[in-house]
Amino acid sequence: AQSVAQPEDQVNVAEGNPLTVKCTYSVSGNPYLFWYVQYPNRGLQFLLKYITGDNLVKGSYGFEAEFNKSQTSFHLKKPSALVSDSALYFCAVPPGNDYKLSFGAGTTVTVRA
Amino acid sequence: GAVVSQHPSWVICKSGTSVKIECRSLDFQATTMFWYRQFPKQSLMLMATSNEGSKATYEQGVEKDKFLINHASLTLSTLTVTSAHPEDSSFYICSARDSAMDHNEQFFGPGTRLTVL
Repeated sequence: AQSVAQPEDQVNVAEGNPLTVKCTYSVSGNPYLFWYVQYPNRGLQFLLKYITGDNLVKGSYGFEAEFNKSQTSFHLKKPSALVSDSALYFCAVPPGNDYKLSFGAGTTVTVRA
Repeated sequence: GAVVSQHPSWVICKSGTSVKIECRSLDFQATTMFWYRQFPKQSLMLMATSNEGSKATYEQGVEKDKFLINHASLTLSTLTVTSAHPEDSSFYICSARDSAMDHNEQFFGPGTRLTVL
């Protein structure tokens, strides 16, 4: 089954600094990849997706992600982090040929003022 | 667009009672909805796939008689936790797939916090 891994449980950055949240994938063929963000006691909010086309995908709230086939990565980035970006971030991929999504373990981002 | 609502947002019940959680797609049709369970600071665990007009498909280890799912219309799926016990306390999140899309993007509800006393 196709899967994603988020190697970091936590990422801490200072406000104004670049933010990177890592995700690697294990898929066969061309993957669909997603990033979601979850604020405390809330559902998930869609950030961006890679389906096909440009490797650099721009999403909501100033986030972007780069699809890197050679490194099998889909890292989420933001050039200048805000305190309000503090949340739990999930990378996701369809595990098979149905419409499910398989989520990574999640990365807690803390942006300090 | 692509809004999914859940009701209630939180519920507290006594052990042994049943609780129904509703998931609605407000501005799109969803032949497929998903129910997840999430423990604090953990990832989402898929419980079941809810298919409009047919039986739900449960993931391995999820008791179908415990977690009853009904998807009676293209915009509504319900999850009923039967004879709830304290170990069923959790955050339940639903999502819906827009039937007009041909890929896996899911739109998530805000979640329901269930506490069983």
